[in-house]
Amino acid sequence: GAGVSQSPSNKVTEKGKDVELRCDPISGHTALYWYRQRLGQGLEFLIYFQGNSAPDKSGLPSDRFSAERTGESVSTLTIQRTQQEDSAVYLCASSPTGQEYSPLHFGNGTRLTVT
Amino acid sequence: AQSVTQLGSHVSVSEGALVLLRCNYSSSVPPYLFWYVQYPNQGLQLLLKYTTGATLVKGINGFEAEFKKSETSFHLTKPSAHMSDAAEYFCAVRSDTGRRALTFGSGTRLQVQP
Repeated sequence: GAGVSQSPSNKVTEKGKDVELRCDPISGHTALYWYRQRLGQGLEFLIYFQGNSAPDKSGLPSDRFSAERTGESVSTLTIQRTQQEDSAVYLCASSPTGQEYSPLHFGNGTRLTVT
Repeated sequence: AQSVTQLGSHVSVSEGALVLLRCNYSSSVPPYLFWYVQYPNQGLQLLLKYTTGATLVKGINGFEAEFKKSETSFHLTKPSAHMSDAAEYFCAVRSDTGRRALTFGSGTRLQVQP
């Protein structure tokens, strides 16, 4: 079946512009996560959605970052007034449930380059 | 709070040699532990996971990991490396309190020499 789909796969933007990244989770997966992976580094948690519960936004690095998810479908991650340090691969993952033992299914990511 | 430490950002082995990638975790409650692999130009995929029960877990492609509570470790091993094992490996932890998301280590890049 279809996996987690992210778009665009690559995005180059100028410093100060806003960008919107999209994630289509696997159908039926109630949990959705955004992570950031800077070059040569590990995955940095950004935000977590679980069903209709309030999202866990504790990983968002600044108020320039925001994310939305409608129900159990598509999610968008928005970065306002992009900075060069925002350059990274942004990964989306979904999971059948929010249970701790439930593995994550990752998309291929969006590579963001801020010039 | 939960955290993961992966010792060695780069590991190089010869084809056919033992692979050992180290992972130590910190968790205030019994953890759930995962290893993910990222092949070049691909997304992360689950290699194996420990939830409860048997402490030695087997994953795909001949990899296995052992949960050692006394050592707070979850090292990944494979008896004989193959060229196709070259990839980046991430250890991750999740506990049943607090943050629901996985906390990942910084990753270990495995190189396999012919």
